[in-house]
Amino acid sequence: ETGVTQSPTHLIKTRGQQVTLRCSSQSGHNTVSWYQQALGQGPQFIFQYYREEENGRGNFPPRFSGLQFPNYSSELNVNALELDDSALYLCASSLEGGVSTDTQYFGPGTRLTVL
Amino acid sequence: GESVGLHLPTLSVQEGDNSIINCAYSNSASDYFIWYKQESGKGPQFIIDIRSNMDKRQGQRVTVLLNKTVKHLSLQIAATQPGDSAVYFCAENGGGGGNKLTFGTGTQLKVEL
Repeated sequence: ETGVTQSPTHLIKTRGQQVTLRCSSQSGHNTVSWYQQALGQGPQFIFQYYREEENGRGNFPPRFSGLQFPNYSSELNVNALELDDSALYLCASSLEGGVSTDTQYFGPGTRLTVL
Repeated sequence: GESVGLHLPTLSVQEGDNSIINCAYSNSASDYFIWYKQESGKGPQFIIDIRSNMDKRQGQRVTVLLNKTVKHLSLQIAATQPGDSAVYFCAENGGGGGNKLTFGTGTQLKVEL
């Protein structure tokens, strides 16, 4: 086990709604990264937070946003949900976001289905 | 959307045989590479990593080889076991600071008894 937890496990929403996914990082890890994994594909980087500030963003629109809190928890928010947002959402925690060799440890993911 | 990746490459091996999973990476500036194992319904699990200043690294039953000349990475699993059945992803860190990972499409490893 990685010590990274996510909630909820599964979620069903309808198009146009908003969703908040939660992650709890390993204690002491200052960095959290979020990834989207479509069925049958590898995870795609959404963004990363380091010490509560965004520290890099992938090719995702602004309706994907995040927060990181001092207690090693974080959130991924998605507004105006689209059908293509259906995926497994993964968070990964790591020690120091500014170091390229920093190993990322993944949580079990939240399966989001948009109808 | 693209359909690339819906049909993962599959490697079938007999229990006890050695497995070799290959990966081509794209960024010559990448300085850190990781192999992850993902079982159905779970998040990716760290297996082994290697830095760009190395060409080989060994762990318990696993070895990663890095060939920077042809931008190729491989994962070797010795004495493959049924519990090794999963999807295996290589991931690269593109360097330049930060640790955004870029994942390959994955390989499905099936271990036959």
